Amino acid sequence: GNSVTQMEGPVTLSEEAFLTINCTYTATGYPSLFWYVQYPGEGLQLLLKATKADDKGSNKGFEATYRKETTSFHLEKGSVQVSDSAVYFCALSEHGNNRLAFGKGNQVVVIP
Amino acid sequence: NAGVTQTPKFQVLKTGQSMTLQCAQDMNHEYMSWYRQDPGMGLRLIHYSVGAGITDQGEVPNGYNVSRSTTEDFPLRLLSAAPSQTSVYFCASSPTVDRGNQPQHFGDGTRLSIL
Repeated sequence: GNSVTQMEGPVTLSEEAFLTINCTYTATGYPSLFWYVQYPGEGLQLLLKATKADDKGSNKGFEATYRKETTSFHLEKGSVQVSDSAVYFCALSEHGNNRLAFGKGNQVVVIP
Repeated sequence: NAGVTQTPKFQVLKTGQSMTLQCAQDMNHEYMSWYRQDPGMGLRLIHYSVGAGITDQGEVPNGYNVSRSTTEDFPLRLLSAAPSQTSVYFCASSPTVDRGNQPQHFGDGTRLSIL
């Protein structure tokens, strides 16, 4: 079946540091890939997406590239801000349905 | 522009009680779904619906029932609550069953505690 694996543990970093969150996936066929962000006390919001190999999704300074050869969709941001503190989820959906499979999420804490 | 509205935001139940978590969307979305979020587990799909009158099971359906009588509403029912159902529940919707490319819109969640 489909599955998403995110790197273990919370991420703590200083303001203006570089952020990387690793995401790898297992899927049959060619899934669409997503990053969602959850701010405290809120629901999930779409951060970015990519629907085919080599696509790059980007939004609010975050980027992720759909790498079919390594089955990865790593999230990066060059200079984080305190306001980026949140939980980040990698997810995939199969072509032909909208069911999402989520990774476990990573808590990101940005310190001033 | 309300989006996806979930009620209640918080609820405490006793073991064995029943309740319905409400979800409504005003975007005329065909696809709706329920997830539960548990620490260290990410989100897991409970039930989903591809349109009015059509529902199906997700990854963790046991102990939950759903129905979809209208496009707008997708309630989740717990018939006999158990402590293992303590969780945060999210409802989501998306425009079409369109090859899985459409991102989903999430409600703010219902935090449910079963004593």
